[in-house]
Amino acid sequence: AQSVTQLDSHVSVSEGTPVLLRCNYSSSYSPSLFWYVQHPNKGLQLLLKYTSAATLVKGINGFEAEFKKSETSFHLTKPSAHMSDAAEYFCVVSKGNTPLVFGKGTRLSVIA
Amino acid sequence: NAGVTQTPKFQVLKTGQSMTLQCAQDMNHEYMSWYRQDPGMGLRLIHYSVGAGITDQGEVPNGYNVSRSTTEDFPLRLLSAAPSQTSVYFCASSPGLLAGGGGYTFGSGTRLTVV
Repeated sequence: AQSVTQLDSHVSVSEGTPVLLRCNYSSSYSPSLFWYVQHPNKGLQLLLKYTSAATLVKGINGFEAEFKKSETSFHLTKPSAHMSDAAEYFCVVSKGNTPLVFGKGTRLSVIA
Repeated sequence: NAGVTQTPKFQVLKTGQSMTLQCAQDMNHEYMSWYRQDPGMGLRLIHYSVGAGITDQGEVPNGYNVSRSTTEDFPLRLLSAAPSQTSVYFCASSPGLLAGGGGYTFGSGTRLTVV
């Protein structure tokens, strides 16, 4: 069975400082891993995905994530937070195109 | 360039009523799924389909039915609405493995309130 654990339910950063959203996964197979973002009262947008190519994945809006098999982690980072980054972020795992399994989400707040 | 279309966007039901949430995609995707989103719970899988005529249960299937008679449509039926089904529902689709895999495309959601 596959699962993801998002280690923080809420992260608060100041504008211009780095962002780190942590995610650990559990999978019996080589997984596909995703980060999705959801702005308030909006749908879900794919930020980036890992599908067994390069372990450092670059996404949209300056976000990136590193797949670390030894640590079963897929943390999301951004060098400098913007106010527009305030949203809910979901770490997601799947095997091939089996249904996605979502983490419970991390709410990112950005303070001016 | 519609992608995944969900209707309605908002709905209020009385306990015991039935209704169908519609989901349609125009990308010829094999895989379609229904999720519900509740605060602090992330998105949980209700039902999914790997192709026309094939459906299976997800994590929280009770109280919901689905069918997949065409590739494009994947409706979700609430048989007898209960307040516990108050949630935001998302439909998603994805190309199959033969199409090279890839990420899911989500609809904009249906906000359902059961009173």
